[in-house]
This record gives sequence, C-alpha cells and structure tokens, in this order.
Amino acid sequence: GAGVSQSPSNKVTEKGKDVELRCDPISGHTALYWYRQSLGQGLEFLIYFQGNSAPDKSGLPSDRFSAERTGGSVSTLTIQRTQQEDSAVYLCASSLARDSPQHFGDGTRLSIL
Amino acid sequence: DQQVKQNSPSLSVQEGRISILNCDYTNSMFDYFLWYKKYPAEGPTFLISISSIKDKNEDGRFTVFLNKSAKHLSLHIVPSQPGDSAVYFCAASVRGGATNKLIFGTGTLLAVQP
Repeated sequence: GAGVSQSPSNKVTEKGKDVELRCDPISGHTALYWYRQSLGQGLEFLIYFQGNSAPDKSGLPSDRFSAERTGGSVSTLTIQRTQQEDSAVYLCASSLARDSPQHFGDGTRLSIL
Repeated sequence: DQQVKQNSPSLSVQEGRISILNCDYTNSMFDYFLWYKKYPAEGPTFLISISSIKDKNEDGRFTVFLNKSAKHLSLHIVPSQPGDSAVYFCAASVRGGATNKLIFGTGTLLAVQP
C-alpha cells in the first residue's frame, strides 16, 4: 500500500519568502508528526497531530512556523519569512495510533538562499 | 542535553558477521524504543521496537536488547548483508505520555563489506 507521501521533494527559496510543505499520511493513520533534520544533526520533533488537533506543538522553533491538518488526513507545515537556519530536511511521519510505530515519508529538502 | 546517544558515528563489518549497534539514554521515563534504518535521500524505515517491559525482541535477522538498569539498548544484525549498509537511528519515547514523540540519537553509519 501507499506510504507517507511528502511534497515537494526539494524546495529552494529566497530568504524572507514563505514556504508550504505538504504531507499525505498513510490512510487510516490518526497520528501525524513533523520532524526536521538539519545538517549534521539528528531528527528533532516539531509538532504532533491527533486527528485535526495538535496537542503538542512544543518543538516548533519560532512563531514563524505553523502547521495544520484537515479532514484527519493531509497536513501542511508553513514557514513564514524563511531564514537560512531553516534549511533542513523536513520529515513527516504517521502512525495508526499514538503508541504505534511511526512510519516516515522521504522528506522535503528545504534550502534557503 | 542529548537524551539519546549513539556514541559510534560509524561501524564497519564483514558480510556474514554480526553487526552490533549501541544506544544509550538518560531519561528514565522512556518506555518504548525503536530502531530505524535510513538510506541517503530517503526517510527512515522502521525496523524493530521494544517495550520497556521486555529485555529482548527478535524479528528475523534483527534483535534488539534492552538493559534498563544500564539505560542501554543494542541492535544485533546477523548475518550482516551488504544491503544493510545504511545509517541506523535509535529512538525513544514515553509511550504513556501525551504525544509519543520520538527522541532520536544522531545515528551510526553501518558499512557491510562484501
């Protein structure tokens, strides 16, 4: 079956622009997570959705970052007024339930010029 | 403060031999541990997990061992195959917590030599 799908796979944009990253989770998965991996770093948690609500946003690095999830399915991570330190691979994961293994997409590689 | 540590950045093993990847954690609240494998330009692929109520979990060539008193877990791959060459991430979570967010180590690059 289809895995977690993320788009775009690569995004290059100028500093100061806004970007939107999309995640299509595995069908039926109620939990959805966003992580990012900066160069030379491990994966760091950004935000967790259960259904359409986000009970844990503790990993969002600044108020320039926001995310939403609609219909209990697709999620969008938005970064406003991008900065060079936002350059990273942004990974989405979904799981059948909150305490099930998380399955990852291939990520969006974001480069801020 | 890094709560999950993988102190070996890389490991090289001969095909057919055992690969042992290690992971240490500091947070005693962690009760669920996972190993992921990652190829370049791909997302992490779930391999195997273990709950803190167990000390061993096995799935084919992969076995994870958990030593709670030492706050240490390891992944054994036997026999190792060239296709196992990848970066391996250890991750931990508080399963009974509000989110089950994963805390990752920085990864170990495994190279299996033919």
